[in-house]
Amino acid sequence: QQQVKQSPQSLIVQKGGISIINCAYENTAFDYFPWYQQFPGKGPALLIAIRPDVSEKKEGRFTISFNKSAKQFSLHIMDSQPGDSATYFCAARGSSNTGKLIFGQGTTLQVKP
Amino acid sequence: DVKVTQSSRYLVKRTGEKVFLECVQDMDHENMFWYRQDPGLGLRLIYFSYDVKMKEKGDIPEGYSVSREKKERFSLILESASTNQTSMYLCASSQHGINYEQYFGPGTRLTVT
Repeated sequence: QQQVKQSPQSLIVQKGGISIINCAYENTAFDYFPWYQQFPGKGPALLIAIRPDVSEKKEGRFTISFNKSAKQFSLHIMDSQPGDSATYFCAARGSSNTGKLIFGQGTTLQVKP
Repeated sequence: DVKVTQSSRYLVKRTGEKVFLECVQDMDHENMFWYRQDPGLGLRLIYFSYDVKMKEKGDIPEGYSVSREKKERFSLILESASTNQTSMYLCASSQHGINYEQYFGPGTRLTVT
């Protein structure tokens, strides 16, 4: 019940295309859903996050779609660029003050020029 | 800018050695975390600390211990390193409360031979 399942494990997209990464969870107590982006040789960094009271959040070319009833959320990268090539992790947070996150398995995205 | 630093980028140790991984953050964050990152498994929480001298086990604490004597420093200890502890180790920190973002260090790639 504490798992977050992420798919696909890897993704190849042409420049200008749309990249879509999906995550599913089971624990309805999760109250915060961030996405982290990790470039080779670096630690993950927060990309965008959403709370379950909204169905969509957009920041530039990055959009989170959230489906509370299905317990699923996804990251959409519009007009994908080679510079977006990285590993992406979805995560979920339980209702506590510790900030503890449960991470998905990660998706390696390659955007071809 | 928040900065999380880790003592080593690469480390090679022998089976049975005691290994110390150090993490320091400069933003006065209450929470600190140790994860290990393995391909296909995402980020798995080893231990976290929500205050000085306080610690809680994460999902995979076996074979590890931690120490937090000062607010800014969180150490991960491998009591007797084994080959299955070869991995990338990531430290992170965050504030209590509404701001949930975790800030990650660059990681330490540990190889146990």
